[in-house]
Amino acid sequence: KAGVTQTPRYLIKTRGQQVTLSCSPISGHRSVSWYQQTPGQGLQFLFEYFSETQRNKGNFPGRFSGRQFSNSRSEMNVSTLELGDSALYLCASTTGTGRETQYFGPGTRLLVL
Amino acid sequence: AQSVTQLGSHVSVSEGALVLLRCNYSSSVPPYLFWYVQYPNQGLQLLLKYTTGATLVKGINGFEAEFKKSETSFHLTKPSAHMSDAAEYFCAVTRGSQGNLIFGKGTKLSVKP
Repeated sequence: KAGVTQTPRYLIKTRGQQVTLSCSPISGHRSVSWYQQTPGQGLQFLFEYFSETQRNKGNFPGRFSGRQFSNSRSEMNVSTLELGDSALYLCASTTGTGRETQYFGPGTRLLVL
Repeated sequence: AQSVTQLGSHVSVSEGALVLLRCNYSSSVPPYLFWYVQYPNQGLQLLLKYTTGATLVKGINGFEAEFKKSETSFHLTKPSAHMSDAAEYFCAVTRGSQGNLIFGKGTKLSVKP
């Protein structure tokens, strides 16, 4: 089975721009979660989508948003980028039926200049 | 509220020596506990997890961890370090009945020849 894939792998943007990241879960998985990883704050949960609905949300400003499509692929969007948004963004997938193991993709490294 | 504390941001061992990475958690509900490993420029790979049952959990690459409820600990060990074990290790707990992970700050393991 193919693993979780994320595109693009690397991205450079400037302050004020917006960005969209994509995540394709493992086949059959209906839940996708997003995490932000920075040297200062570590790994922090952004949000989770299950069956096209946001099911759980972390403590991030409204500039961070996401969506999920009927094929379970998910996108996250960050508007009005700030320097502090530079991070590795990881997505993880599960079947969505409980506290299961989350399988992570390789991440998208975003650099905001 | 759930939280995870990893003691030691950097641990250095010699090849062939015992690896011990410490993790303490707090949780208001019976925890599900995980150890993930991250190699440079990669996502997170599951090493092992504890849900219920046997408190000594064996994972991949010779790692194991013991859940000690009385000490609220879930330390990761490996009897003999290999150069390929050099990576960053994250302990995590799931948040209540929800699936999102709360991570510790990570421990970077170096292995000296």
